[in-house]
Amino acid sequence: SAVISQKPSRDICQRGTSLTIQCQVDSQVTMMFWYRQQPGQSLTLIATANQGSEATYESGFVIDKFPISRPNLTFSTLTVSNLSPEDSSIYLCSVPQGYYNEQFFGPGTRLTVL
Amino acid sequence: GENVEQHPSTLSVQEGDSAVIKCTYSDSASNYFPWYKQELGKGPQLIIDIRSNVGEKKDQRIAVTLNKTAKHFSLHITETQPEDSAVYFCAASRATGGFKTIFGAGTRLFVKA
Repeated sequence: SAVISQKPSRDICQRGTSLTIQCQVDSQVTMMFWYRQQPGQSLTLIATANQGSEATYESGFVIDKFPISRPNLTFSTLTVSNLSPEDSSIYLCSVPQGYYNEQFFGPGTRLTVL
Repeated sequence: GENVEQHPSTLSVQEGDSAVIKCTYSDSASNYFPWYKQELGKGPQLIIDIRSNVGEKKDQRIAVTLNKTAKHFSLHITETQPEDSAVYFCAASRATGGFKTIFGAGTRLFVKA
């Protein structure tokens, strides 16, 4: 399975600022996913990051708030912009592998907005 | 939209007892059903999965069953140990054709020593 790392592992940010989260994979992958996990909740897909094209956002998530970059097949960033306390969550990247697209997750980034 | 329901939300068992978590899904085209374990401060880890062409799969103390007709699947953990304490998520997806994975709400399992 792919080895996935995320930076930072956690951060505390002020309202109105932005945080950029990095996701690095040890192998080349076509698709990468970004999820949000609010406190005590399940995983909600934010967007799919494809190399060489614009990210595909799920309903309720917009590019202005969650811009994504995918400069190559092993790396992606998610920026959470104009932070508010409601953005306090764990943000996870994942990659699918295998015929059934088994998903493997990074360790997550815990964001707290004051 | 597509949905996965998971029960119970919290489960407390004595060490050595069995734990069962149940999920139902709505998309009849789903053919892949993974289970994830998430420990505190970590990302979800795939622990077992089942494909639609089988009804049961076992891996040591963990087993999953699938009933496609009823659209439900279950996770069974036998001889539970304190290190099994975590949040467990079921999920459903299609292997092809826009394979968005739908996750259940999660079950917080406590194993008491």
